[in-house]
Amino acid sequence: NAGVTQTPKFRILKIGQSMTLQCAQDMNHNYMYWYRQDPGMGLKLIYYSVGAGITDKGEVPNGYNVSRSTTEDFPLRLELAAPSQTSVYFCASTFSRGQGFGGYTFGSGTRLTVV
Amino acid sequence: EDKVVQSPLSLVVHEGDTVTLNCSYEVTNFRSLLWYKQEKKAPTFLFMLTSSGIEKKSGRLSSILDKKELFSILNITATQTGDSAIYLCAVITPDSNYQLIWGAGTKLIIKP
Repeated sequence: NAGVTQTPKFRILKIGQSMTLQCAQDMNHNYMYWYRQDPGMGLKLIYYSVGAGITDKGEVPNGYNVSRSTTEDFPLRLELAAPSQTSVYFCASTFSRGQGFGGYTFGSGTRLTVV
Repeated sequence: EDKVVQSPLSLVVHEGDTVTLNCSYEVTNFRSLLWYKQEKKAPTFLFMLTSSGIEKKSGRLSSILDKKELFSILNITATQTGDSAIYLCAVITPDSNYQLIWGAGTKLIIKP
């Protein structure tokens, strides 16, 4: 199993550009999350989804959008990139139906720099 | 506001030492506390603690939760350079759609 796959691993954007961070999981997890991690800080929740077609805002959603058209994919869209969005982005998933919560499975992260 | 506070923020010890990392929390409702280890990339799961006073152990790592005093500790004995990492603590609350509230982490450096 691949687990959670994030692409790209690294990206440099210019101010005002847009991009989509891709996240895919093959574990049939219904819950998926996008976090950002700034240096010396914990993870902050951007958006999450409890299943296909259902998304909701987390703690820091401004400047981002998500969609969840399938169980497997949960892309994160950055519109009009700003330097404040320079961060490491992690996608995570959890909880297959019929199983108890056992923590998240994380993707390997995307390091984004906005210049 | 729910929050998780870890201490110390950073720690430098020598190989072979024993370290204790702390995590305290203030949340409206508590379900479980999780410890993760983060090296260069994504956090990897170490422990999940739900009940007070029951130690979870994995090799040289162990952790315990005190729900009365609202904290957990992570112990690492006979430290090795491979234990160098950021250790993250997170709390999950009921009815939160499994969102985690994260501490800022403790950066642990093990010197040879």
